[in-house]
Amino acid sequence: GAVVSQHPSRVICKSGTSVKIECRSLDFQATTMFWYRQFPKQSLMLMATSNEGSKATYEQGVEKDKFLINHASLTLSTLTVTSAHPEDSSFYICSARRRTGSSYNSPLHFGNGTRLTVT
Amino acid sequence: GQNIDQPTEMTATEGAIVQINCTYQTSGFNGLFWYQQHAGEAPTFLSYNVLDGLEEKGRFSSFLSRSKGYSYLLLKELQMKDSASYLCAVRERDDKIIFGKGTRLHILP
Repeated sequence: GAVVSQHPSRVICKSGTSVKIECRSLDFQATTMFWYRQFPKQSLMLMATSNEGSKATYEQGVEKDKFLINHASLTLSTLTVTSAHPEDSSFYICSARRRTGSSYNSPLHFGNGTRLTVT
Repeated sequence: GQNIDQPTEMTATEGAIVQINCTYQTSGFNGLFWYQQHAGEAPTFLSYNVLDGLEEKGRFSSFLSRSKGYSYLLLKELQMKDSASYLCAVRERDDKIIFGKGTRLHILP
């Protein structure tokens, strides 16, 4: 089945530093990947849609200059949290969808998530 | 606007059946997903409905009524390992997938 790999699984950083999270589709090409954030006991909130070869599309309220997304190839998207602050501490999850003849019945496959703690 | 509603928490007994409801109001509709998420882990795909009716997959079934903006996930023969959050998610016309807040299901022995 489809596998999405996300790295690192856990990171602790100091306030003011930047953190990069990688999301790879291991056995399929993903022209579109999605980045979600999940706070404790809450659901997944879509942050942005990452499109291969073009700019990401950010959801309302998400700062594009703070959460930099790069989708340089069909199998890799990266999210960089710049100048991280304690309130950015969260569970970040990427997802990708295998492109088939019809994409309508293809589910999102999720990476295992990255738990970011900013001290 | 978009709104996806599901109960916050439910409790059921091992071996029993439980139905988790989801109602939605979204800007466009291209299908509804159900995901299972254990604490601290990523969601895993359970089911997908795009047409009205019931989809059965082993112990899990999912139902959709597009005219009512309503879906449910039915879990049979509950096992302790089914204790998790169940997320209802809608694919909108622009292909974005929006999640509800999830239902935490507690299974009692």
